[in-house]
Amino acid sequence: LAKTTQPISMDSYEGQEVNITCSHNNIATNDYITWYQQFPSQGPRFIIQGYKTKVTNEVASLFIPADRKSSTLSLPRVSLSDTAVYYCLVGDGYSNYQLIWGAGTKLIIKP
Amino acid sequence: DTGVSQNPRHKITKRGQNVTFRCDPISEHNRLYWYRQTLGQGPEFLTYFQNEAQLEKSRLLSDRFSAERPKGSFSTLEIQRTEQGDSAMYLCASSTSGDRGPTGGREQFFGPGTRLTVL
Repeated sequence: LAKTTQPISMDSYEGQEVNITCSHNNIATNDYITWYQQFPSQGPRFIIQGYKTKVTNEVASLFIPADRKSSTLSLPRVSLSDTAVYYCLVGDGYSNYQLIWGAGTKLIIKP
Repeated sequence: DTGVSQNPRHKITKRGQNVTFRCDPISEHNRLYWYRQTLGQGPEFLTYFQNEAQLEKSRLLSDRFSAERPKGSFSTLEIQRTEQGDSAMYLCASSTSGDRGPTGGREQFFGPGTRLTVL
């Protein structure tokens, strides 16, 4: 199966930009890389997805290098409400049908 | 449509018993995913459907787990002969189908989950 690696935790302050990187080996060549946010006692919530290069929406940007062996989620000007766990999600390059979630990065935003 | 619903929200059972969970996806979504999540871990993929067809099942999943989506609408996940290690949150998600890959390039919408405790 594909493998993913994310930092276990990160701290930052309100108003700062936060970048979270996920390393992923052997991912499906035909699938997107997706990031989700999860608050305690809730299901994950979609943030952004991309295939390659850079994608931006109203809440985040996603940077994917040409080799697609990593992806970086960028959260501009974070607030206390961005305190959550962030997951990367990729398709498995071996089976081409299995979904692999990262272990998650717990982001704590301080005032 | 108010989103993905799951029932029951909580289930306590004794080891060795069978349990069944239900997921009702968003009505126009033809993909449905089942995941398991334990405290402090990311979701673990179990299986997914496109309409009534089960496209993939996790290779790590025991044969005690089975899922159905008989008419391409709601789905059930059954765990036979439960073990204490099955205690977890079971999450269901749905999406429209895309043009490639297991995620299909589509946002997954998650239900509130069913918390299973096996005593």
